[in-house]
Formats: sequence, structure tokens, C-alpha cells
Amino acid sequence: NAGVTQTPKFRVLKTGQSMTLLCAQDMNHEYMYWYRQDPGMGLRLIHYSVGEGTTAKGEVPDGYNVSRLKKQNFLLGLESAAPSQTSVYFCASRTLGAVNEQFFGPGTRLTVL
Amino acid sequence: AQSVAQPEDQVNVAEGNPLTVKCTYSVSGNPYLFWYVQYPNRGLQFLLKYITGDNLVKGSYGFEAEFNKSQTSFHLKKPSALVSDSALYFCAVRDIRLQAGTALIFGKGTTLSVSS
Repeated sequence: NAGVTQTPKFRVLKTGQSMTLLCAQDMNHEYMYWYRQDPGMGLRLIHYSVGEGTTAKGEVPDGYNVSRLKKQNFLLGLESAAPSQTSVYFCASRTLGAVNEQFFGPGTRLTVL
Repeated sequence: AQSVAQPEDQVNVAEGNPLTVKCTYSVSGNPYLFWYVQYPNRGLQFLLKYITGDNLVKGSYGFEAEFNKSQTSFHLKKPSALVSDSALYFCAVRDIRLQAGTALIFGKGTTLSVSS
């Protein structure tokens, strides 16, 4: 099992450009999440999904969109990147049950110039 | 409001000494608490969790955590630190505001540095 994978690992964008981050999991997990990690701020939830075809907003959703067309994939889109979106983005997944731990991908380091 | 606090940005210990990384929480109802570790340029890895039952929870790599309801704390501990334990540690609590309590609220993280 590859677990949770993220593509790409690094990306540099110019302000106003768009891009999509891909998260894939091979553990048949129902729940998937996108977080951003900024120095001194821990991880903050951007969007999440409780199943194929469903998404919901987290703590910091502005400027991002997501889609979950297939159970194993969760896409995070930036339509018009801003320097404030420079961050490390982590995807996570977990199975059913409120107490189950989340499994994290290796992260995508995004810089917006 | 729900929150998690890690009062120390950095903890320094010598190899072989015991270590403690502090975490306090504020939640409504019973807390579900977690500890994660992040090594450089890696994703977070699950260490342990407290749901109910024994206040001392044992986890991976020899770590344990003590739940204290009266002090609303969930401190991470290890009897004898290793240099390889050096990493960034996150405390987290289940976010009951979201659907089915699915997500986690993370603390800001504590950098553990173990010297040889």
C-alpha cells in the first residue's frame, strides 16, 4: 500500500495563476481532508469530504475549491493564487468511526510569488 | 470554543533523560485527544490517542500520554529520550463542530530537540 500520496511535491506559482493539488489514497477511506501548515500556526483545515461526491468547508476555505469525484481522490484547487497561499499543504484520510486516526500524505510545498 | 494549546515552542532534553511535551485543551463534552509527530519534510504520523478509560495511554516508539481531566491536560511523555525523537510534535482534539466530528483541531506544535 502506498497510503496517502500527494502530487506535486513542490510548486512555484505567480500571483493570479491557478493550479490543482492531487491527493490519492489506496486504503478505501471514506473521509479525506486538506490542511495547510504555516509556521507557528499548526495545521488548519481547508476543506474536507465525508464521502465520494461530497465536500464541506473547514476553518480556512477562502480562495480554495475542492472536488471528490472518486472515493480515492481529493483535489484541491487554487483558481487565482495569492502570496498568502504560500504554505505547505497536507492531505489526510481516515476510515469510518469518530475515533479513528488520520493518515497524512507527505505534503506539497507551494510558493506564490 | 474548542481549542488546543501547546505552551512550549521548543523543548530541549539530553539523550537518556525523560521528556514531557505539554498540551492543554478546551472542549465541550468528552475530549478525544491525539498526538502526532512530524519529522523534517515528512507528513504527520500518528503516535497515540485517548478516547476513554485508563488515563495513561501508551503509543508508538515508547511514547505515552497522561490524560488529566481536572487540569484539562494531555501531556506526552517518554521515560528515556533518544536523539531520533527530535521532531515536531502536535497535540490535537476532535472537532465536534463538524459533521460527525470528523476533523481535528491541532495545536501550534512543539519542537523537541534531543542532544547527545
